[in-house]
Amino acid sequence: EDQVTQSPEALRLQEGESSSLNCSYTVSGLRGLFWYRQDPGKGPEFLFTLYSAGEEKEKERLKATLTKKESFLHITAPKPEDSATYLCAVRGGHTGTASKLTFGTGTRLQVTL
Amino acid sequence: NAGVTQTPKFRVLKTGQSMTLLCAQDMNHEYMYWYRQDPGMGLRLIHYSVGEGTTAKGEVPDGYNVSRLKKQNFLLGLESAAPSQTSVYFCASTVPPNYGYTFGSGTRLTVV
Repeated sequence: EDQVTQSPEALRLQEGESSSLNCSYTVSGLRGLFWYRQDPGKGPEFLFTLYSAGEEKEKERLKATLTKKESFLHITAPKPEDSATYLCAVRGGHTGTASKLTFGTGTRLQVTL
Repeated sequence: NAGVTQTPKFRVLKTGQSMTLLCAQDMNHEYMYWYRQDPGMGLRLIHYSVGEGTTAKGEVPDGYNVSRLKKQNFLLGLESAAPSQTSVYFCASTVPPNYGYTFGSGTRLTVV
């Protein structure tokens, strides 16, 4: 059974204070690790997909990296508008053609002035 | 391009009542999913469909039924609502096999 654990549960940063969110996973045959952003009252919004260890992807102040056991979402010089819950999910090879994702419980990020 | 549209956005049901949640996507995606999101539990898969006319059970299917009569629509039914089904329900769709999901904005359901 695929498992995803995210830490910390909540993180409070000051504007400009860089940090990282962690996503640890166990999966049988990784077919993709996904990062989503979720604003209150909204559905998750796709950010990145990583497929193999060593891969990195960037978008504005966000950079996602992947190892064989975990992924990090690095936030550089965050702004208040980066405040949201960040979700990590994995797709294992055993899901076959169903492309099912297993989600973590998220990290709630608050960036203050 | 609307993406994934869920209706209704909010609903309050009494225990034992039935209802149907509608998910519609205009991206010609083959795969569609219903998840529920509860505090501290993350998103859990209820049912999914890999194409028109097909459905399958996910992690927490009990008390729910689904139908995919048209490719663009995926319906989630509650035949006899229970307080344990109070949750936020999200529909998602994707193009197989390894793309990310596009989510709807959710339906907040309260069963009293």
